[in-house]
This record gives sequence, structure tokens and C-alpha cells, in this order.
Amino acid sequence: RKEVEQDPGPFNVPEGATVAFNCTYSNSASQSFFWYRQDCRKEPKLLMSVYSSGNEDGRFTAQLNRASQYISLLIRDSKLSDSATYLCVAASGSARQLTFGSGTQLTVLP
Amino acid sequence: ETGVTQSPTHLIKTRGQQVTLRCSSQSGHNTVSWYQQALGQGPQFIFQYYREEENGRGNFPPRFSGLQFPNYSSELNVNALELDDSALYLCASSPGTGATYEQYFGPGTRLTVT
Repeated sequence: RKEVEQDPGPFNVPEGATVAFNCTYSNSASQSFFWYRQDCRKEPKLLMSVYSSGNEDGRFTAQLNRASQYISLLIRDSKLSDSATYLCVAASGSARQLTFGSGTQLTVLP
Repeated sequence: ETGVTQSPTHLIKTRGQQVTLRCSSQSGHNTVSWYQQALGQGPQFIFQYYREEENGRGNFPPRFSGLQFPNYSSELNVNALELDDSALYLCASSPGTGATYEQYFGPGTRLTVT
């Protein structure tokens, strides 16, 4: 079983749609959580950190449920530029090493 | 842009050879982590350097080694290259402090082993 699991998709949605990504992690000692986005053949870029209280950044809302070891990302009013692979990440250990899911591919269609 | 730079951009090596990849961290960041990303997978943690010392290592064999220099730049060395080492190698820097330890990635080095 992978430490961080997420639905690989692909998710194909029309512009303006709301889309939700879910992720589970197995290491209960994980300390920090993130969503990264990765465009084709580019490096991962930090989208947002995820907190238990939930946090929002414009059209993006992230949520963490430590009891269920579950992380989510909601994208409202999808734009064509949101098309990318979204990586769910848990950080653990003294090095805060990042453990990535395999990514969920999103394509926003015109 | 993150301010993290990596060189070279692309590299082609033959099985059995050795390779050195380089990374310059973002200004003010004293921690550098290296990740390997195979096609279609998420990045996998190789190791981290903090103030010139190895500060954690993932499940990679000893032929993967590294260094960090006083200016916090870093090198990743891979000996006895194998075909499965073909991947995107990513370097990430972080400030080494703060509650969330956010890491910022460079553009990566794409290594092909033939």
C-alpha cells in the first residue's frame, strides 16, 4: 500500500466547474501536508499548505482530517490554466521529507 | 520563480557511468532535499542536507550520495548508473525553520541512462 494515495483520474471538467480531489495518507506521524501542482515536464510548484482548520486561497480550498488521515482540495470556477497534475503530499520525519501521491490529472475543457 | 536552480538541464549517460547533478538553493534557505521522479509517478525522497550534514535519507542505495557546500548549494552523485536511474531529478530548498517546512523545487535535471 502506498503511503499517500490519490485517485489518478484523469478528471476532465468544463470551464467554470467545481472539482474535488481526495487523498489519504497512512503515516499517522505525518506532520505537515501540502498540495503541489505540476505542469507537463515541469517541476512541482507549491499550491498551498493544508491545515486542520481548513484554508482557502482564492478559488482553492484545502482541508485536512487527521482522524481519518484524509486530505482534500476543492477548485471552484475552474479555469483552462488549472489544467495540470495535482500532487497530494505529506511531510514526516526530522527532515520533513515529502511523500508524494502519484498525482491526479486535471484537464479543464473550454 | 522559486530561485532554485539546477544544472545541467538534460543529461545522457551510459549504464555503469557516474553522474553529478548540481543545485543552488533559494537565497536564505539552508536546507536542500533531492527527489527522483520516474515517469508517471510522484517524486521520491532521496536525501536531505541541512547545514552541510545529511539530515535524512529515503530508500535509495549507497551509490546515491550527496554534498552540501558552505553556501548551501548541493550536489547529487550517482555511481554505477543503471537503466532504472533514468528520471527527473529534483532539488528542493527550504528555510529549515517554521511550522510547515515548505519546500520549493528547482526545474530539475532530466537524466537518461542508455
